[in-house]
Amino acid sequence: GDSVTQMEGPVTLSEEAFLTINCTYTATGYPSLFWYVQYPGEGLQLLLKATKADDKGSNKGFEATYRKETTSFHLEKGSVQVSDSAVYFCALSLDNTDKLIFGTGTRLQVFP
Amino acid sequence: EAQVTQNPRYLITVTGKKLTVTCSQNMNHEYMSWYRQDPGLGLRQIYYSMNVEVTDKGDVPEGYKVSRKEKRNFPLILESPSPNQTSLYFCASSLAGTGGNYGYTFGSGTRLTVV
Repeated sequence: GDSVTQMEGPVTLSEEAFLTINCTYTATGYPSLFWYVQYPGEGLQLLLKATKADDKGSNKGFEATYRKETTSFHLEKGSVQVSDSAVYFCALSLDNTDKLIFGTGTRLQVFP
Repeated sequence: EAQVTQNPRYLITVTGKKLTVTCSQNMNHEYMSWYRQDPGLGLRQIYYSMNVEVTDKGDVPEGYKVSRKEKRNFPLILESPSPNQTSLYFCASSLAGTGGNYGYTFGSGTRLTVV
């Protein structure tokens, strides 16, 4: 079935380090891909998205490129801040549905 | 402010005692959904609704009920809660027919403990 696989966390980094969180997917058809972020004690918020192959989503210094050939949508940021500490979820939606399928989430901890 | 409001934020209850978690949105969204979040499992969909009086099962519907009598409200009902329903619950809404491409709006969550 359709699914999303994320790297396990926690990911622990020092401030200003480079971040990569891996995400791969399995889907029939042509999914849209998303990254959501969950700050402590809050609901999820949409961080960025890409709706077709080779699209790059970006927001708040984060980027992810929709790679159809490797079925991946890795999240990157060049210089993380303490305030980026959160849980990051990769997700997909399929043509003709409004359902989001989530990965298991990756916790990021950034230390000063 | 556009938002999804869930209540309560925290709830401790005993096995078998019926409870309802409320969810309300003020964005006129057609699509609403309930998820549960468990460590190592991510978010799993419980039920969803495409519009008033239209509801359907998600991936883990057992032990839950929902209703959609009004567009803004989508309550989650646990008729006879059990300890395996201890979890963090999220309600979400979006425009229907968009494949989630405009983003889901999530509530702040309800942490339920069943003892």
